Amino acid sequence: KAGVTQTPRYLIKTRGQQVTLSCSPISGHRSVSWYQQTPGQGLQFLFEYFSETQRNKGNFPGRFSGRQFSNSRSEMNVSTLELGDSALYLCASSPGPNTGELFFGEGSRLTVL
Amino acid sequence: GENVEQHPSTLSVQEGDSAVIKCTYSDSASNYFPWYKQELGKRPQLIIDSRSNVGEKKDQRIAVTLNKTAKHFSLHITETQPEDSAVYFCAAIHSGGGADGLTFGKGTHLIIQP
Repeated sequence: KAGVTQTPRYLIKTRGQQVTLSCSPISGHRSVSWYQQTPGQGLQFLFEYFSETQRNKGNFPGRFSGRQFSNSRSEMNVSTLELGDSALYLCASSPGPNTGELFFGEGSRLTVL
Repeated sequence: GENVEQHPSTLSVQEGDSAVIKCTYSDSASNYFPWYKQELGKRPQLIIDSRSNVGEKKDQRIAVTLNKTAKHFSLHITETQPEDSAVYFCAAIHSGGGADGLTFGKGTHLIIQP
């Protein structure tokens, strides 16, 4: 079974730009969660999608948004980028929502200049 | 929402010795406590978990304990080896209910000294 795939793996943006990250879950997994990882804050929950619906959202500003498609693939978008948005963005899939048993992708490393 | 505290942030032990990482959580509704290991430059991976109806669980050299009354849970690694060097994250969730997602501790960087 293929694992969780995230694209792009690395990207560099400048302040004020926007970015879209993509995640393909493990086949058959219908839940996708997104996390922001930074050295100081660890893994912080962004949001979780299940059956194209956002089930819950972490404590991030409205500049962070996401969506899930009918094939369970998910995208997250960050608008009006700030320097502090530089981080590793990890996507994780699971068979169902709110299980805690997550399978992570390799992540998308975003650098904002 | 849930809050998970993890200690220590860095732990250095001699190869062959034991390592213990401790976590506390705040939401009494949490009932599932997974542990993730993240090696340098790699993705976090689930290594072991505990559920609220199980006080202790063991898998070869690693074991987890849970004290629901005190809202504490711990990871124990015995006979540490170089490949145990990684960052370990504890987490908590109200599995099957709630709407907070999986909450992680800030991680423990485990260093195995040869």
